[in-house]
Amino acid sequence: AQRVTQPEKLLSVFKGAPVELKCNYSYSGSPELFWYVQYSRQRLQLLLRHISRESIKGFTADLNKGETSFHLKKPFAQEEDSAMYYCALVTNAGKSTFGDGTTLTVKP
Amino acid sequence: NAGVTQTPKFRVLKTGQSMTLLCAQDMNHEYMYWYRQDPGMGLRLIHYSVGEGTTAKGEVPDGYNVSRLKKQNFLLGLESAAPSQTSVYFCASRSRGMNTEAFFGQGTRLTVV
Repeated sequence: AQRVTQPEKLLSVFKGAPVELKCNYSYSGSPELFWYVQYSRQRLQLLLRHISRESIKGFTADLNKGETSFHLKKPFAQEEDSAMYYCALVTNAGKSTFGDGTTLTVKP
Repeated sequence: NAGVTQTPKFRVLKTGQSMTLLCAQDMNHEYMYWYRQDPGMGLRLIHYSVGEGTTAKGEVPDGYNVSRLKKQNFLLGLESAAPSQTSVYFCASRSRGMNTEAFFGQGTRLTVV
């Protein structure tokens, strides 16, 4: 069975500081990995997918198959980045599992 | 451009009552999911469907049933509600294929007293 672990429930940084939200996974197959974000009073929405290797709102995430990790990083955090972040894994059978989420607070 | 719509948005039930939550999507997506979101526990998968007429159990299926009679709708049923089912429920849908984005509903806040 697959599993997604986000070890930090809460993360607090100052504006302009680097931020890293950790995500580790376990899955025997080839995973599809995503980061979703939920801003206050808004729906969950896609932030990044590993296949795209893109940078969205300054965030990047690299899939490390050796360490089974997909950490989310941003070099300079902004106050508007404050939100709940979820790491998600989708199996080749379409089953989609989320981690427990990390609440990021960026202080002024 | 409705996307994913959940009905109702709020509901209060008494213990033992039954109810059905409706999720409707207008994007012709094959995959649909029901999650519950509880403080400190993230999103937990209840049931999911990879196509019309098919359903599968997720991580926390006990106490819930689902049906996918039409491609655009995914129903979540509680036959006999319990206080432990007090939660915010989210529906999501995505198209078949690698690395496709999931689209979420606005959530249903359910309280069982």
